[in-house]
Amino acid sequence: DAGITQSPRHKVTETGTPVTLRCHQTENHRYMYWYRQDPGHGLRLIHYSYGVKDTDKGEVSDGYSVSRSKTEDFLLTLESATSSQTSVYFCAISQGAYGYTFGSGTRLTVV
Amino acid sequence: QQQVKQSPQSLIVQKGGISIINCAYENTAFDYFPWYQQFPGKGPALLIAIRPDVSEKKEGRFTISFNKSAKQFSLHIMDSQPGDSATYFCAASNGGGADGLTFGKGTHLIIQP
Repeated sequence: DAGITQSPRHKVTETGTPVTLRCHQTENHRYMYWYRQDPGHGLRLIHYSYGVKDTDKGEVSDGYSVSRSKTEDFLLTLESATSSQTSVYFCAISQGAYGYTFGSGTRLTVV
Repeated sequence: QQQVKQSPQSLIVQKGGISIINCAYENTAFDYFPWYQQFPGKGPALLIAIRPDVSEKKEGRFTISFNKSAKQFSLHIMDSQPGDSATYFCAASNGGGADGLTFGKGTHLIIQP
């Protein structure tokens, strides 16, 4: 998707290892979000950011941390990955309260 | 507590027919109601959105109907085409907070040729 890039696109990791997913935007949008998508659950908000160093928890934040040291980058970290964190992770950006744009996703498998 | 309930989970419609997906919400502070379309392996893409000051919004073959008193909104796809086969998500947000979208669980739509 134009203006928003997620990396890596796919990752397989072992239980107990740390994992960091990156979201990079070129739109200079203020708001950034991390969602996870699981069958039967739709998309659920993990964490979000409303500016550099300003972050807050979403609906399913346990086991995840985030950081935003620059406007363009929003990092999601799984400190010690578990099998329940196997999911597809989406980053989204928003210029204001409306008009959210999603990235192409990162498929994470924890074995 | 699920704040946005979406139905049906799956839907099969014949080509040329009307596809209808329904959502209901609980939080009266919600003031933005978008629909997203997602194809396999892709991120959700905004299809159409509505604010509660209008009861209907139409863009091409896609229409949102909004009933504020019933706290319900629906997506109608007219003249459904095989290329419309995808997963559709309704969502809602409190625009004043910018604290993200709350999604329904999705509807897997199949348009049969």
